[in-house]
Amino acid sequence: GIQVEQSPPDLILQEGANSTLRCNFSDSVNNLQWFHQNPWGQLINLFYIPSGTKQNGRLSATTVATERYSLLYISSSQTTDSGVYFCAVERMDSSYKLIFGSGTRLLVRP
Amino acid sequence: NAGVTQTPKFQVLKTGQSMTLQCAQDMNHNSMYWYRQDPGMGLRLIYYSASEGTTDKGEVPNGYNVSRLNKREFSLRLESAAPSQTSVYFCASPRYNEQFFGPGTRLTVL
Repeated sequence: GIQVEQSPPDLILQEGANSTLRCNFSDSVNNLQWFHQNPWGQLINLFYIPSGTKQNGRLSATTVATERYSLLYISSSQTTDSGVYFCAVERMDSSYKLIFGSGTRLLVRP
Repeated sequence: NAGVTQTPKFQVLKTGQSMTLQCAQDMNHNSMYWYRQDPGMGLRLIYYSASEGTTDKGEVPNGYNVSRLNKREFSLRLESAAPSQTSVYFCASPRYNEQFFGPGTRLTVL
């Protein structure tokens, strides 16, 4: 089946720093989403981005479908950005069935 | 508009006990999904229902049964709980092209 790899697995930032999280996937996909899982376990939708670039405030994401990767940029990080960031993809022959990477655990220190 | 709701939020079972996790969505979508999340990992699909009256296995279906009660409700049943089923369980349903997740049920099997 399709493989989803995220890097780095862990990241520690000082408040105000910028970071880039990466998601590689092994096959063509119909859908790619980025989620933030906060310290209370809630999954928050960040981006639906099967291709192209989107921005939402301090966060932006780029997916290059032909090269099978996606990047999530966090600028001017805040302590509230802490948590786990997941990339999830849906295969071309699937129906909203997401396959998750193992996540990037981010800690932003004040 | 509550999105996806789940009950209960927490549950502790003894090995061999049974229970049903409930999920409801008000996004008027045909499909619904159950995932589990083990510590330090991404979510994995247990079962899904593409429409009312249909259910199919996902990646990790063993030890579970599901019922699609109507368009809004999709339940997950553990007939004889095992310690390996200790996990956080998430229900999901799409809105437009994005998957949205409920708040999760944290289940411990002793």
